[in-house]
Amino acid sequence: EIVLTQSPGTLSLSPGERATLSCRASQSVGSTYLAWYQQKPGQAPRLLIYGASSRATGIPDRFSGSGSGTDFTLTISRLEPEDFAVYYCQQWSSPPLYTFGQGTKLEIK
Amino acid sequence: QVQLQESGPGLVEPSGTLSLTCAVSGGSIRNNGWWSWIRQSPGKGLEWLGEIHHSGSTNHNPSLKSRVTISVDKSKNQFSLKLTSVTAADTAVYYCAKNGAYCSNIWGPGIPVTVSS
Repeated sequence: EIVLTQSPGTLSLSPGERATLSCRASQSVGSTYLAWYQQKPGQAPRLLIYGASSRATGIPDRFSGSGSGTDFTLTISRLEPEDFAVYYCQQWSSPPLYTFGQGTKLEIK
Repeated sequence: QVQLQESGPGLVEPSGTLSLTCAVSGGSIRNNGWWSWIRQSPGKGLEWLGEIHHSGSTNHNPSLKSRVTISVDKSKNQFSLKLTSVTAADTAVYYCAKNGAYCSNIWGPGIPVTVSS
């Protein structure tokens, strides 16, 4: 089983600042098989990034993903008030078990 | 635009069977390859349960062993989840989702299920 570890657990920033979220895999997941999701309270997760760096339909360009192998990063260039949420990474490299990270909570400072 | 909606009992007795259905609208289940079930509980975060192809092929989370069955009904444009021998640990919000290119790109709103007598 591939374990995904996200850091930090909580990130406190102000609107307008840059956010950098990390997702580290216990073994290589390549660059095609890593996705990022955003989840707000009471809502289902929403796909932000797939293939480590491709933005999903309708996702603003302030969201970007990078990385390959075992280290991946989600960057939000300038935080908007609606960006404060929980973010999850998920790997699709190791069927039949597509594991999620434990999440990073992005909160308003 | 494809939309998903989960349905089923919100309360299941311990040792019973949890049965949920995901209705697909805005598109045909035949035209999209794979469909997933995912759950979220406070103790375990997001957990991928399994997936089904419109042809009927499935993959399941090995940790759930033989408790999970996922099926598809193309005539009703829906797919289903059955989880047997449930315990309190199966209490969670259950989501169905459409798979994209190594991602889940469309999610249902989720349905909370409590296992309790």
